[in-house]
Amino acid sequence: EAGVTQFPSHSVIEKGQTVTLRCDPISGHDNLYWYRRVMGKEIKFLLHFVKESKQDESGMPNNRFLAERTGGTYSTLKVQPAELEDSGVYFCASSAGGSLAFFGQGTRLTVV
Amino acid sequence: AQSVTQLDSQVPVFEEAPVELRCNYSSSVSVYLFWYVQYPNQGLQLLLKYLSGSTLVKGINGFEAEFNKSQTSFHLRKPSVHISDTAEYFCAVISVQGAQKLVFGQGTRLTINP
Repeated sequence: EAGVTQFPSHSVIEKGQTVTLRCDPISGHDNLYWYRRVMGKEIKFLLHFVKESKQDESGMPNNRFLAERTGGTYSTLKVQPAELEDSGVYFCASSAGGSLAFFGQGTRLTVV
Repeated sequence: AQSVTQLDSQVPVFEEAPVELRCNYSSSVSVYLFWYVQYPNQGLQLLLKYLSGSTLVKGINGFEAEFNKSQTSFHLRKPSVHISDTAEYFCAVISVQGAQKLVFGQGTRLTINP
């Protein structure tokens, strides 16, 4: 069974550009989460989808971040325009329900 | 709201020595507790979890952790470490009811020296 897959693994963009991160959850998992780790700090929750609906987006830092999960399968997280402080590792996780979440390998985003 | 504190940002130990990585949490509601591990260039992998029952939980790769409710701690231990245990370890909690989001500590980087 395939795990949670994230694309790309690394991305380097210039300040002001747009970047889209993608997450493919484990098949059948209705819950999909995005987390972010800014360098040297803790991993922080961004948002939670249940199927295609945003259940909790309290962790989204500002309106430059847009997450979608059309059709309740894969999800995208777009940052537009990117700023230097957006650099970090973005993790996606999925779960079938309950508390056990499986994480992807993360996307390392560097904004220069 | 919950918060998690990992008391050591870095822990260097010699191979075959015992290790303890400390984690304390704060929460006004009941929580489940987790330890995740991130090996170099890999994603987060679940090491072990406490949901209920016995307060001593065993995980993969010989790790175990003990939930202490009175001290609000969930320290991770291994009696004898190997070079392959070099990784970053994250303690996390999630509320039993309500918001289904993990709250993480800042991570502890474990370095095993030969």
